[in-house]
Amino acid sequence: GQQLNQSPQSMFIQEGEDVSMNCTSSSIFNTWLWYKQDPGEGPVLLIALYKAGELTSNGRLTAQFGITRKDSFLNISASIPSDVGIYFCAGQMNYGGATNKLIFGTGTLLAVQP
Amino acid sequence: DGGITQSPKYLFRKEGQNVTLSCEQNLNHDAMYWYRQDPGQGLRLIYYSQIVNDFQKGDIAEGYSVSREKKESFPLTVTSAQKNPTAFYLCASTHSDRNGKLFFGSGTQLSVL
Repeated sequence: GQQLNQSPQSMFIQEGEDVSMNCTSSSIFNTWLWYKQDPGEGPVLLIALYKAGELTSNGRLTAQFGITRKDSFLNISASIPSDVGIYFCAGQMNYGGATNKLIFGTGTLLAVQP
Repeated sequence: DGGITQSPKYLFRKEGQNVTLSCEQNLNHDAMYWYRQDPGQGLRLIYYSQIVNDFQKGDIAEGYSVSREKKESFPLTVTSAQKNPTAFYLCASTHSDRNGKLFFGSGTQLSVL
């Protein structure tokens, strides 16, 4: 099955630094989502994007739906230790269709040193 | 509190044995999903179900089976035909119109003895 290209694969940063990660695809998506997974737990939805060019924030997190519909970006400002985890992008081709089947990225592991 | 519950948290399988992973949700969601996660990889879809008594194969359905007899429950059986079953298994659910907003359980780690 298809998987999205997500980069970087891992990041090791100091507390207070800003973080950027992105996701690209060869296919066009109508929905982009970003999830965070804590160790040994299931992913939790952070941000959902439904329109090309859309920029949405959730606290210190900001995500953008690329204008080409083939990419998305997630930024975290002023990182804190609890930001540690794996961040996944996910894309969906069928907007409001019969299936919510998502295609997931390979994940970005974020480590934050206090 | 509403949520999605997976059990057990850890499961061990012997050679040639079938094992069943439980997934229950009380969110009144129509759609339920099973994903497999391997270290350093994204989530791969095993099976999904949009309504009771109906389900479809995902990208890696071989060696797995499911049932959806009740709206709340979507158990996954890992059969002996699955030769590499060691992985973290995640169950998820959503309203059919939520456009990707999945709610995940806390996962089951399956290992082979």
